[in-house]
Amino acid sequence: QVQLVQSGAEVKKPGASVKVSCKASGYTFTSYGISWVRQAPGQGLEWMGWISAYNGNTNYAQKLQGRVTMTTDTSTSTAYMELRSLRSDDTAVYYCARGGVGATPWFDPWGQGTLVTVSS
Amino acid sequence: QSALTQPASVSGSPGQSITISCTGTSSDVGGYNYVSWYQQHPGKAPKLMIYDVSNRPSGVSNRFSGSKSGNTASLTISGLQAEDEADYYCSSYTSSSTLHVVFGGGTKLTVL
Repeated sequence: QVQLVQSGAEVKKPGASVKVSCKASGYTFTSYGISWVRQAPGQGLEWMGWISAYNGNTNYAQKLQGRVTMTTDTSTSTAYMELRSLRSDDTAVYYCARGGVGATPWFDPWGQGTLVTVSS
Repeated sequence: QSALTQPASVSGSPGQSITISCTGTSSDVGGYNYVSWYQQHPGKAPKLMIYDVSNRPSGVSNRFSGSKSGNTASLTISGLQAEDEADYYCSSYTSSSTLHVVFGGGTKLTVL
């Protein structure tokens, strides 16, 4: 079955960087893009950006431009999201999801989520 | 402040039907048939329930249906069941230069 499995929880200090991984299985990785969506505690969903697993093209939410980088490794069917210069308001559960932009403008399935806590 | 407006909460009794609205603009909901809906139980990842306004993925109950009129999309759940109690989020493609996807703020569904 189609599945996305994310890396484990992280605790980071303000100003540090975090890199979350998302390993895909059950489908041809390069046939779909991967989106990243985050959810702060008790809050709603926020789209962060998307990467094409076919050619590496990216689209980032403007508010995160310059702090976020999304990449893929097609040899291992894994997507990565790196967020730099972390602040306390970056504390959230980070989800990867297949699709979201282009030919599949919906998110399905989702990874299990990775809690990133930013605290001094 | 979310780009798409949803009611904070709705409720209904088992067996009843409820509708959750999702209001945007002509730059998102009203301009494209790319509205999707997600169900999220506490502590779990969201699950796709409806895509492209009214299409149901394989495995999703036919009690869930979607529609759109103008700048407002709607999710209807008929024959409410206890397991439907969850948060529901709408999402839409947007032609905004700062985003490609926008979400609603979420609606808490309580089954009485």
